[in-house]
Amino acid sequence: DIQMTQSPSSLSASVGDRVTITCQASQDIHNYLNWYQQKPGKAPKLLIYDASNLETGVPSRFSGSGSATHFTFTISSLQPEDIATYYCQQYDNLPAFGQGTKLEIK
Amino acid sequence: EVQLVESGGGLVQPGGSLRLSCAPSGFVFSSYWMTWVRQAPGKGLEWVANINLDGSETYYVGSVEGRFTISRDNAKNSLYLQMNSLRAEDTAVYYCARDRLYNWNYASGFDYWGQGTLVTVSS
Repeated sequence: DIQMTQSPSSLSASVGDRVTITCQASQDIHNYLNWYQQKPGKAPKLLIYDASNLETGVPSRFSGSGSATHFTFTISSLQPEDIATYYCQQYDNLPAFGQGTKLEIK
Repeated sequence: EVQLVESGGGLVQPGGSLRLSCAPSGFVFSSYWMTWVRQAPGKGLEWVANINLDGSETYYVGSVEGRFTISRDNAKNSLYLQMNSLRAEDTAVYYCARDRLYNWNYASGFDYWGQGTLVTVSS
């Protein structure tokens, strides 16, 4: 099974900060990686697909990059409404999620 | 508007069974892979199972293999998850989700999700 290691597990940042989350795959998954946002009590929301493609309607301050085993998710300027937990998910083999990154406002 | 509505959750004793249902609307159900994802209280997301367009292919996470069965009825526009031999560690909110790709031959990401249904396994 492919293991996804996401870091950090939690992050505190100020409004306007640039925020970066990384996801490491245990083997080459090409660009078969997605990023989701989940707010408390809500279902997850797809933000980025295929490592770097912005889902329709998602603000451009969100971006993704990477390939093979190393991937990065970035919020260019943190907004109060971005407080959530973020997950990466690979689909090179059976789908699997990273452990999540809980993002809080400093 | 795409909608997914789960039902069938509840309290069940260890060793018991439960059948979850998901009612999709707003899209051509038979043209998408479908998935169940769960989230234990205070924990992260865990992919549980998925099924291809006509139901001929199903895949499971190891911890539910042999106990859970995913199925679909395209004529009735319904997705199911039959859960047998339930354990305390199966306690979670169960989400059904639609795959992002239309009429494709493998699963990818999940672009629409239901609101989730809570399954509690406890004596």
